[in-house]
Amino acid sequence: DVKVTQSSRYLVKRTGEKVFLECVQDMDHENMFWYRQDPGLGLRLIYFSYDVKMKEKGDIPEGYSVSREKKERFSLILESASTNQTSMYLCASRRETGTGNQPQHFGDGTRLSIL
Amino acid sequence: AQSVTQLDSHVSVSEGTPVLLRCNYSSSYSPSLFWYVQHPNKGLQLLLKYTSAATLVKGINGFEAEFKKSETSFHLTKPSAHMSDAAEYFCVVSGGMEYGNKLVFGAGTILRVKS
Repeated sequence: DVKVTQSSRYLVKRTGEKVFLECVQDMDHENMFWYRQDPGLGLRLIYFSYDVKMKEKGDIPEGYSVSREKKERFSLILESASTNQTSMYLCASRRETGTGNQPQHFGDGTRLSIL
Repeated sequence: AQSVTQLDSHVSVSEGTPVLLRCNYSSSYSPSLFWYVQHPNKGLQLLLKYTSAATLVKGINGFEAEFKKSETSFHLTKPSAHMSDAAEYFCVVSGGMEYGNKLVFGAGTILRVKS
């Protein structure tokens, strides 16, 4: 089974801090994704990466950056945390086939609170 | 325009009765379709996927879904609900000419199971 592991289940940080959310997958998947999930807004794509050192903006990249130095690890960075970034963050990975027909596999999420 | 519509935001059933969660999508082609389930404070778990093989797809935990191209629907069903089925369910579309590598999520349906 695919395993996607997010480093923290719960995290509390202060405004202005630089925050790192880490995600590791063990299936050698090419694609990795970061979403945030908010009540009434569903899942929204922040950034995704097709392969190592590659990244593309999703629908809501403002205030975030990402890093993919190794294939198995995809990090989400909040450059200067703000209270409106309090949310549930979900990481996912997927095997690349060029057709979009493979499912994404999700981690358990990190519930981030910015005070 | 790309869209996925889950027709009910909340569904309530009694334990042992059938479950129907409805999903319609917009597409001129045959995309890939998925159903995910999310239990409280957990990530999304893949229930089943349709990728242009058999139109009736069987998934985990007794769920199945039928792809109907003429109706652009992909409704999720289960003959007999169990208390453990209480969760939020997401219909997701990907692939094809319109969606490509992008996943488009429905807004979710919360399933409540009464004893």
